[in-house]
Amino acid sequence: GAVVSQHPSRVICKSGTSVKIECRSLDFQATTMFWYRQFPKQSLMLMATSNEGSKATYEQGVEKDKFLINHASLTLSTLTVTSAHPEDSSFYICSAIRGAGSLYNEQFFGPGTRLTVL
Amino acid sequence: GENVEQHPSTLSVQEGDSAVIKCTYSDSASNYFPWYKQELGKGPQLIIDIRSNVGEKKDQRIAVTLNKTAKHFSLHITETQPEDSAVYFCASTGNQFYFGTGTSLTVIP
Repeated sequence: GAVVSQHPSRVICKSGTSVKIECRSLDFQATTMFWYRQFPKQSLMLMATSNEGSKATYEQGVEKDKFLINHASLTLSTLTVTSAHPEDSSFYICSAIRGAGSLYNEQFFGPGTRLTVL
Repeated sequence: GENVEQHPSTLSVQEGDSAVIKCTYSDSASNYFPWYKQELGKGPQLIIDIRSNVGEKKDQRIAVTLNKTAKHFSLHITETQPEDSAVYFCASTGNQFYFGTGTSLTVIP
């Protein structure tokens, strides 16, 4: 159990377009999900905490109007990269915590989404 | 803020040898320390974790030790196999969650 999926796994888009990435917990409910960004050969950087039914909490330096997060149900969180530019190209990874939890609980990670902005 | 340092950044070992990766943290409030394995193009997978009320935890070939006084914790992999080759990340959870910088492990057959 505890499987997290992401869709799409890979996306290529033109500069200026918006891209939506979905994160789903397949066999459990997740009140809290997290979105990370990872550059090549670097560690994961936490972008935001997504809470079901409320606004996301963004880390310092992350533009909330640029990276829109919606957590409309207990199994789905979406990240929309608005007006994407080449510098937004990266590997985006989500994670989920079973039930109502915090970062002190085990996170289950999705397989990631490779975004390339031309 | 928290600073999680991870060493070494790269590690090559012969198949069958042991591999040790070390992390240090600065936040005294940290009490949960997971280790993740990430293969190329995939998300991280939890391989073992430890909480601050325990000094050591073992799961088959993988073990983690924690020294809260010195604020460091280590991952030990014994009898390494080629499929252990991946990037390993430590993490620390105190007031916030922080990943280490990663260790690229190569197990040479």
